[in-house]
Amino acid sequence: ETGVTQTPRHLVMGMTNKKSLKCEQHLGHNAMYWYKQSAKKPLELMFVYSLEERVENNSVPSRFSPECPNSSHLFLHLHTLQPEDSALYLCASSQTGAYNEQFFGPGTRLTVL
Amino acid sequence: AQSVTQPDIHITVSEGASLELRCNYSYGATPYLFWYVQSPGQGLQLLLKYFSGDTLVQGIKGFEAEFKRSQSSFNLRKPSVHWSDAAEYFCAVGEYSGYALNFGKGTSLLVTP
Repeated sequence: ETGVTQTPRHLVMGMTNKKSLKCEQHLGHNAMYWYKQSAKKPLELMFVYSLEERVENNSVPSRFSPECPNSSHLFLHLHTLQPEDSALYLCASSQTGAYNEQFFGPGTRLTVL
Repeated sequence: AQSVTQPDIHITVSEGASLELRCNYSYGATPYLFWYVQSPGQGLQLLLKYFSGDTLVQGIKGFEAEFKRSQSSFNLRKPSVHWSDAAEYFCAVGEYSGYALNFGKGTSLLVTP
C-alpha cells in the first residue's frame, strides 16, 4: 500500500448504528486529519492529530469520536448520527513543520438513513 | 484570518482550449498556496504548491500557477485541456508550521468535445 488509504470506501448506516472509519498513512508523516466534504460546502476540518495528540477539534458534535493509536493510523468512531452527517469523509496526513503539505486519501462516502 | 475565494463555481472549456482557474486569498503574511484536484468519488490530489521563490510554479499533468502578491492571486493555468481534466479544483492556503489549510469552495471544470 502507498499513500493514504481509507476503509471502507462506502458506508450506509442507520441513525442508531455504531460504525468506525479507518485511515492509514504509509508516508512516514506525523500529523493526520479528518475532513468532512458535503455537497456545495467547502471542506470542513474536523480533527487534527500531531504526534498522536489531538491538537484541533473544530466544534464537531460528540457523535463523532476520533482516535489516533499511532502516527500511521486514525479512526473516526460514529454513533447516533443524523441524516445531515451524510458526506464524504476525507483523511489526510502531513509532516509537521513542513509547510503543511497535506496528502489525502480517497475518502469514505457515508450515507445515514 | 485566512480566506480563499474561487470566484467561478463552474467553468466549461472545449478540449484543446486553454484554461485559467482563479483563486484569490486573504492573508497577512506570505501565504503557502496549493492547488488540488478531485475526480468524482476520489480524494484530493496535489497539483502544485507555492512556498517561496519563483512565482511561476509548475505542477503535474501540465498545470502551472502564478503567484501575484499585488493581486493576492494564485491562478491555475493549462495551455491545452484534455477531457480527462474534467474534475473539481480546489485552491488552498496554509501557514508554516500551522495545521489548518483553508480551502476555497472549488471550481467544477467541464470539458466539451
